[in-house]
Amino acid sequence: DTGVSQNPRHKITKRGQNVTFRCDPISEHNRLYWYRQTLGQGPEFLTYFQNEAQLEKSRLLSDRFSAERPKGSFSTLEIQRTEQGDSAMYLCASSLVTRGQGWETQYFGPGTRLLVL
Amino acid sequence: AQKITQTQPGMFVQEKEAVTLDCTYDTSDPSYGLFWYKQPSSGEMIFLIYQGSYDQQNATEGRYSLNFQKARKSANLVISASQLGDSAMYFCAMREAYNNNDMRFGAGTRLTVKP
Repeated sequence: DTGVSQNPRHKITKRGQNVTFRCDPISEHNRLYWYRQTLGQGPEFLTYFQNEAQLEKSRLLSDRFSAERPKGSFSTLEIQRTEQGDSAMYLCASSLVTRGQGWETQYFGPGTRLLVL
Repeated sequence: AQKITQTQPGMFVQEKEAVTLDCTYDTSDPSYGLFWYKQPSSGEMIFLIYQGSYDQQNATEGRYSLNFQKARKSANLVISASQLGDSAMYFCAMREAYNNNDMRFGAGTRLTVKP
């Protein structure tokens, strides 16, 4: 399978604990995005990377959230001191951006469903 | 301000019939892209179809077509010959040139295909 993969698929944690999610993009994709999706809503943009550089962060990304893409391949999203409001599906997407291209398509992974008790 | 509006929380369609899922958008940017994604119960967002604001023709991809009415700011998804496997959530999304890293999604429409 050469699609975007995410691990774990499900995570249950207690309030105040730290959690880390991993995303493996489609190989050779230079962009990687993180989104959050709450029940009954569409995904909301959190942050994105161009290769290893984190170029943009949404206001939704509080100081408790940190994302990395150390070698420009896989990425991790860590949430510190989780709160019940962090319960959501966390989606990762990747895309290949080339010069002169129009709007590139983002390909999504299956998501990590987080439940904070 | 809401950028993408999907006014149909749920839709039903008979198998083999066509269905239209509505999407309206709001932007002052002349350059933008519109996307439709399908999300089955498994959670993965599956890309279906894309329309650029400067594209002269409506996009088509197999059984999916996009009814793009620029003046009305609508980008409705038409699914022809519905199949049981089409039952899922469908999301309309937009990216604008001035902020093209932020893809805005609507709230989605849940489509149920009846046998």
